Amino acid sequence: AQSVTQLGSHVSVSEGALVLLRCNYSSSVPPYLFWYVQYPNQGLQLLLKYTSAATLVKGINGFEAEFKKSETSFHLTKPSAHMSDAAEYFCAVSDRRSGYSTLTFGKGTMLLVSP
Amino acid sequence: NAGVTQTPKFRVLKTGQSMTLLCAQDMNHEYMYWYRQDPGMGLRLIHYSVGEGTTAKGEVPDGYNVSRLKKQNFLLGLESAAPSQTSVYFCASSYPGTANQPQHFGDGTRLSIL
Repeated sequence: AQSVTQLGSHVSVSEGALVLLRCNYSSSVPPYLFWYVQYPNQGLQLLLKYTSAATLVKGINGFEAEFKKSETSFHLTKPSAHMSDAAEYFCAVSDRRSGYSTLTFGKGTMLLVSP
Repeated sequence: NAGVTQTPKFRVLKTGQSMTLLCAQDMNHEYMYWYRQDPGMGLRLIHYSVGEGTTAKGEVPDGYNVSRLKKQNFLLGLESAAPSQTSVYFCASSYPGTANQPQHFGDGTRLSIL
């Protein structure tokens, strides 16, 4: 069975500071990995996904994530936080051996950005 | 583009009442999913469908039923609502093929069971 661990239910940064949201996965086979963002009272939007084409994946809004097989990690980063980045972020995995994407989500990390 | 539309957006029920949540997508996606989101729990898969007329159980299926009579619609039913089913429910859809297809989400239905 696959699982996802997001370290830190809340992360606080100042505007302009580096954003680092951590995600570790557990799977017998390297899975497909996704980061989603959820703004208040909205559904989830895809930020980026890893499908093994490249270990460094660039997404929308200046976010990127690096797949590290040796560390079973897929941490999300952004060089400079904006107030508009305040939201909840979810890491998710999908079993590449499956013919369809039933996602297993982490518990989420709330990003707080202060001026 | 409407994308994934969920109806209703909010609902309050009494324990024991029944209701149906409707999800409609206009992207011609083959696969559809129902999740529930609870504080500190992330999203958990309730049921999913890989095509019209097919459904399968997810991680937390108890107390829910689903139907996929039309490709564009996926219904989630609560036969006898319980307070433990108070949650935010999300519907999602995706293209078929491999497990790397991203899911597209609706804006959710906020359901309270008193």
